[in-house]
Amino acid sequence: DIQMTQSPSTLSASVGDRVTITCRASQSISSWLAWYQQKPGKAPKLLIYKASSLESGVPSRFSGSGSGTEFTLTISSLQPDDFATYYCQQYNIYSPSWTFGQGTKVEIK
Amino acid sequence: QVQLLESGGGFVKPGGSLRLSCAASGFTFSDYYMSWIRQAPGKGLEWLSYISNTGNIIFYADSVKGRFTSSRDNAKNALYLQMNSLRAEDTAVYYCAREDTYVVAFDVWGQGTTVIVSS
Repeated sequence: DIQMTQSPSTLSASVGDRVTITCRASQSISSWLAWYQQKPGKAPKLLIYKASSLESGVPSRFSGSGSGTEFTLTISSLQPDDFATYYCQQYNIYSPSWTFGQGTKVEIK
Repeated sequence: QVQLLESGGGFVKPGGSLRLSCAASGFTFSDYYMSWIRQAPGKGLEWLSYISNTGNIIFYADSVKGRFTSSRDNAKNALYLQMNSLRAEDTAVYYCAREDTYVVAFDVWGQGTTVIVSS
């Protein structure tokens, strides 16, 4: 199975900060990586798919990059609505399965 | 609008069974692959099961293989998860999610239904 390692687990930041979250795969997953935002008591929301494509309706301050085994989610200027938990998710084409990272909670500093 | 609505959660004793349902609306259900994903209290997301648009291809996570069965009824726009031999560690919020086939990501989620397994 492909393991996903997401870091950091918690991040304290202020409004306006540039924030970067990293996800590493134990083996290459090409660009089959997505990022989700989840707020307490709510379902996750898709932000980024295929590593770097922005889901329709998602603000442009969110961006994704990477391929192979290392990926990043960047929020260019953190807004009050962005305080949430973020998850990466990979798809393993070799053994059809979907795996989520452990999550990164973005907290107010 | 595009919507998924889960139901069927509840309180069950270890070893018991429960059947979850997911009602789809606002899109052509039979065109989409679907998955079940859960989240234990205070924990991260865990993918459980995938079912193809016709229902003829199904995959399971090792943690539920042999205990959970996913199915769908395209005529009723419904997805199901039959859960047997439930354990305390199956306690979670269960989500159904639509997969965007071309990008292999979950673009629509239900609001979740809670399953509590306890004696």
